[in-house]
Amino acid sequence: DGGITQSPKYLFRKEGQNVTLSCEQNLNHDAMYWYRQDPGQGLRLIYYSQIVNDFQKGDIAEGYSVSREKKESFPLTVTSAQKNPTAFYLCASSIGWTGELFFGEGSRLTVL
Amino acid sequence: ELKVEQNPLFLSMQEGKNYTIYCNYSTTSDRLYWYRQDPGKSLESLFVLLSNGAVKQEGRLMASLDTKARLSTLHITAAVHDLSATYFCAVDGSNSGYALNFGKGTSLLVTP
Repeated sequence: DGGITQSPKYLFRKEGQNVTLSCEQNLNHDAMYWYRQDPGQGLRLIYYSQIVNDFQKGDIAEGYSVSREKKESFPLTVTSAQKNPTAFYLCASSIGWTGELFFGEGSRLTVL
Repeated sequence: ELKVEQNPLFLSMQEGKNYTIYCNYSTTSDRLYWYRQDPGKSLESLFVLLSNGAVKQEGRLMASLDTKARLSTLHITAAVHDLSATYFCAVDGSNSGYALNFGKGTSLLVTP
């Protein structure tokens, strides 16, 4: 079955550590996205990529980094520079550069 | 900057009642999306509205789009407990590679 796989589902991190969240899709979608969700909030865009080896900052990119070396993969690194990283992170993809997003199951990061 | 506003943000309604959730957005867009999120879960696509006057229905939910008024509505008919969830509207954001901009969500609780 086609879909988007995020891992890990739950992650605990000590302050000052970098962590990388994995996102893999087998939908053959061109565009991929990372959103962050805080309790009671909507989704805020962190980074997006419309094509391999290219990505753009979203509204809240500070303290995060990404790579897009393969069409199927768009990992997100939460660096120690991110001041408040505890959140629910959602990866999504779309067929083209616009349009309906399909979401993974999410990764919940807690900083201890 | 594209703004997407939903109201109400919280809604408690009795089973069998009807209600409407509103989604206003601040810039021109012909595409609007509705998603559902259950607690602790990811987002599930409900409706894709691609033109002015578009109306889509699925079960007890009906969504419509008025691009001139920059308004979409999600109408709930004869609510049942299974509809309890958070509902998000999202609009293409031309200022961010057409990544979707989300409202804060409407948290719906349907009670007996």
